[in-house]
Amino acid sequence: KNEVEQSPQNLTAQEGEFITINCSYSVGISALHWLQQHPGGGIVSLFMLSSGKKKHGRLIATINIQEKHSSLHITASHPRDSAVYICAVIRVQGGSEKLVFGKGTKLTVNP
Amino acid sequence: GAGVSQSPSNKVTEKGKDVELRCDPISGHTALYWYRQSLGQGLEFLIYFQGNSAPDKSGLPSDRFSAERTGGSVSTLTIQRTQQEDSAVYLCASSPRDRRGEKLFFGSGTQLSVL
Repeated sequence: KNEVEQSPQNLTAQEGEFITINCSYSVGISALHWLQQHPGGGIVSLFMLSSGKKKHGRLIATINIQEKHSSLHITASHPRDSAVYICAVIRVQGGSEKLVFGKGTKLTVNP
Repeated sequence: GAGVSQSPSNKVTEKGKDVELRCDPISGHTALYWYRQSLGQGLEFLIYFQGNSAPDKSGLPSDRFSAERTGGSVSTLTIQRTQQEDSAVYLCASSPRDRRGEKLFFGSGTQLSVL
């Protein structure tokens, strides 16, 4: 079992729909990142969370440390939101840090 | 520079040759990560530097891989005796890590092709 599991793997939505992408992890972490990777490969960091909730524009990220679960929400989705969304956790171990990535959720928003 | 810079952007090499990949993080960023993405695959973490030290090298796929960071700035990832399975996009990210809630800043990667 992967240490970081994302669901769904693929998601197709109509423009305007509310989107939720989920991330569950099985290890102790110090923080969690949500990343966005567009076709062509460029990666953008959307959020870093260690507790609670963050909002930026139409994007909202939440994390529940006790339940080892995070969600990324997109309100009023738009075709330009089409990308792969990746959850990555920072696992602290023996004084070092490892980034453990989920396999990503491919989002397609149709006009 | 304004962002994380990686060079070269593309590298084609023959099997068995050594390659060196470079990452220039954003000035002042103390944390630096190397990871890679093979075609159609997810992201694979390789190594993390805090300053010049990398306490855990277990993410490196084999002993042909090594990485160093000098002066708390530029990092190089070296792959010796390259194999075809080393072909991937090698990515670097940096972060200030001097206060909570800081994001990662990503380079655009080096596309490595081993023939």
